Amino acid sequence: ILNVEQSPQSLHVQEGDSTNFTCSFPSSNFYALHWYRWETAKSPEALFVMTLNGDEKKKGRISATLNTKEGYSYLYIKGSQPEDSATYLCAFMVRNAGGTSYGKLTFGQGTILTVHP
Amino acid sequence: NAGVTQTPKFQVLKTGQSMTLQCAQDMNHNSMYWYRQDPGMGLRLIYYSASEGTTDKGEVPNGYNVSRLNKREFSLRLESAAPSQTSVYFCASRRLAGGEQYFGPGTRLTVT
Repeated sequence: ILNVEQSPQSLHVQEGDSTNFTCSFPSSNFYALHWYRWETAKSPEALFVMTLNGDEKKKGRISATLNTKEGYSYLYIKGSQPEDSATYLCAFMVRNAGGTSYGKLTFGQGTILTVHP
Repeated sequence: NAGVTQTPKFQVLKTGQSMTLQCAQDMNHNSMYWYRQDPGMGLRLIYYSASEGTTDKGEVPNGYNVSRLNKREFSLRLESAAPSQTSVYFCASRRLAGGEQYFGPGTRLTVT
């Protein structure tokens, strides 16, 4: 069983604060690392798919970095807004023996972010 | 373009009853997945279908069966429901290897 850990489990910040969370994953047989945003009563939606060591991705005020050698990824939110309140999930995709992937994702438990006005 | 759809949205079953959860996608995706979501456990993969005509077990397959009816549809069957299968079930699909997954709205199942 693959171990994907996220920290912290939950986070409360004030509007305008910048924040970051961590995702730890196995450093072997890496294929991809996904970040999803999951709002209450909705479905998870993809933020980033990261595949290369050193990758940095950005979407508006949200960015992510990836270190496959040590097995971690950071998600940053700059100037948090109440609408950023959600659960942020990371998911690890393993490389199979043929060097590709079946697309199976192992999810972390998520970081619940609450942004207070 | 509806994306990924799931039926039903809610269901209550008695222990021992059977039911099938339906999932369909209209994005011409090759791969489809069934997850369950339980408090404190995150999303766990039940079964997946890498391409039409193939299915394989995920992390928690016991008590479930699946059918990839065609490229669009992937159903999940509970043959004899148990209270431990009370959960929210999500279907997802993916086009490319390594690519993002698109999730359906979920089915909330309660087994009493």
